[in-house]
Amino acid sequence: KAGVTQTPRYLIKTRGQQVTLSCSPISGHRSVSWYQQTPGQGLQFLFEYFSETQRNKGNFPGRFSGRQFSNSRSEMNVSTLELGDSALYLCASSLIQGGEAFFGQGTRLTVV
Amino acid sequence: GIQVEQSPPDLILQEGANSTLRCNFSDSVNNLQWFHQNPWGQLINLFYIPSGTKQNGRLSATTVATERYSLLYISSSQTTDSGVYFCAVNTGNQFYFGTGTSLTVIP
Repeated sequence: KAGVTQTPRYLIKTRGQQVTLSCSPISGHRSVSWYQQTPGQGLQFLFEYFSETQRNKGNFPGRFSGRQFSNSRSEMNVSTLELGDSALYLCASSLIQGGEAFFGQGTRLTVV
Repeated sequence: GIQVEQSPPDLILQEGANSTLRCNFSDSVNNLQWFHQNPWGQLINLFYIPSGTKQNGRLSATTVATERYSLLYISSSQTTDSGVYFCAVNTGNQFYFGTGTSLTVIP
């Protein structure tokens, strides 16, 4: 059974650009959530999707957005990138909301 | 939100030693998981343990939900156990992570 797949693994962007990250959950899992990890703030919740609906959102500016498709794959988008957006972005999938979560390998975003 | 505190923040062990990592949380939770973050950043599942005790090889974990804490035991530590260990609790719609315990096992 394939695990959670995140693409791309590494990304370098310039300030002001936008970026889209992708997450394919474990087959059959319908809940996908996103987290940002930085050395200063640790692991912080961005948002959670279940059955194509955003169910919960963390305390991030509106530049951070996401969506989930009918096959449960999810994308997150960050517009007008800032240096402080440099981070490891992790995606997790679970069978149900609040259930056991499995994380992908992450996307390491560097904003220059 | 829920506060999650992990201790100790840093731990250095000689290979073969045992250790106990602690996770305290401030409110009732639906789910608690322990993860090991590998050098490439991926969070590897160790235990899904909202309550009770589980064992997997040299690792075991205990969660006492009524007292709002969980313990991760590592026995006969190996250099490959090095890395950061995270405790995460879920209230039903998001995980709250602790700040982690950074473990270094020296040969």
